[in-house]
Amino acid sequence: EVVMTQSPATLSVSPGESATLSCRASQSVNYNLAWYQQKPGQAPRLLISGTSARAAGVPARFSGSGSGTEFTLTISSVQSEDLGVYYCQQYNKWPPLTFGGGTRVAI
Amino acid sequence: QVQLQESGPGLVKPSETLSLTCVVSDDSINDFYWSWIRQAPGTGPEWIGFIHKSGSSNYSPSLRSRVTMSIDTSKNQFSLSLTSVTAADTALYYCARVRSGSFWFFDLWGRGTLVTVSS
Repeated sequence: EVVMTQSPATLSVSPGESATLSCRASQSVNYNLAWYQQKPGQAPRLLISGTSARAAGVPARFSGSGSGTEFTLTISSVQSEDLGVYYCQQYNKWPPLTFGGGTRVAI
Repeated sequence: QVQLQESGPGLVKPSETLSLTCVVSDDSINDFYWSWIRQAPGTGPEWIGFIHKSGSSNYSPSLRSRVTMSIDTSKNQFSLSLTSVTAADTALYYCARVRSGSFWFFDLWGRGTLVTVSS
């Protein structure tokens, strides 16, 4: 099983600042990495797939990068509506498809 | 816009079977793979498995012995059955759409339904 580890557990940022979230895989997942945003009381929402491709309607301030075992989600100029928990998920080697434990972004 | 809606009992007794259904708002059920995912309080999501109209399915190894998924395209719905539940199965259960048969991530989620296992 590919274990996904996210850091930090919580990230506190001020509006307008940049936020960098990390996701590490226990083995290479190539570029088969997705990011989700979960706002309080809501289901996760797909933000990025294929490491860096934004889903429809996702603002350009969200960007993804990395490959292999190290991945990053960057939120440039964080907005108040960006608060929530962010999860990464690998879909390179399965079953099972696996998610990280999440990074909480607090504004 | 396509919507997913989970339904089922919110309370299940230990050792019994958890049964949930997800209704897809249109007949796109024929065009995608469909998954169940759960999330225990304070944890990341856990993939349970997926199913396709062809009958093709795949389950998480950790749950495979207890999970069965089915699909009814005439009703635009698919279902989850999880046997011999324990308190560890208490979670928010989501149904979700798999993007494609080549890209196994989830581009559409239901709102989720909370299932508590307790006597």
